[in-house]
Amino acid sequence: RKEVEQDPGPFNVPEGATVAFNCTYSNSASQSFFWYRQDCRKEPKLLMSVYSSGNEDGRFTAQLNRASQYISLLIRDSKLSDSATYLCVVNPFSGSARQLTFGSGTQLTVLP
Amino acid sequence: NAGVTQTPKFQVLKTGQSMTLQCAQDMNHNSMYWYRQDPGMGLRLIYYSASEGTTDKGEVPNGYNVSRLNKREFSLRLESAAPSQTSVYFCASSRLAGLEGETQYFGPGTRLLVL
Repeated sequence: RKEVEQDPGPFNVPEGATVAFNCTYSNSASQSFFWYRQDCRKEPKLLMSVYSSGNEDGRFTAQLNRASQYISLLIRDSKLSDSATYLCVVNPFSGSARQLTFGSGTQLTVLP
Repeated sequence: NAGVTQTPKFQVLKTGQSMTLQCAQDMNHNSMYWYRQDPGMGLRLIYYSASEGTTDKGEVPNGYNVSRLNKREFSLRLESAAPSQTSVYFCASSRLAGLEGETQYFGPGTRLLVL
């Protein structure tokens, strides 16, 4: 079983739609959680951290469910510029230096 | 600030050739990382350097070596390239590995093709 699993998609949604992605992780001791965004042929960039209480940044809402070991990302009022691959990232404790574990990503295309 | 820079952007190698990928950051970060990204696999950690003077293996270190030249620079060397090393390589840096909620910043990547 992969440490971090995501539905690869692709998700094709019309502009203005609401879309949600889920991600599951296997290490129950994981400490930190993130969503990164990666545009085609570009580097990953941090979209938002995910906190236990859930957090919102404009049109983006991230939630964490530790009991079920999943993380979600909700995008409201989708824009064409939201088209990208969204990476779920988990920071499990690993020895003396923590390392990020990346999901393989969910591809989103927002259609005009 | 340029952030994290990588050279070269593209490279084509023949099997058995060697090359070094260069990475530099100007954010005064202590920790640096090398990842590879393959289709459907996500990013996988090759090596990392938690601080200047230290390096450690990640998930997929075989066939690679690294050097933390100074606080700014972290290079990745392929001694004898193989087709299985065809990939996109990303360098990243962070303030300090081990911090809760630590964020990594990525360079633009190097696309490597080994024939």
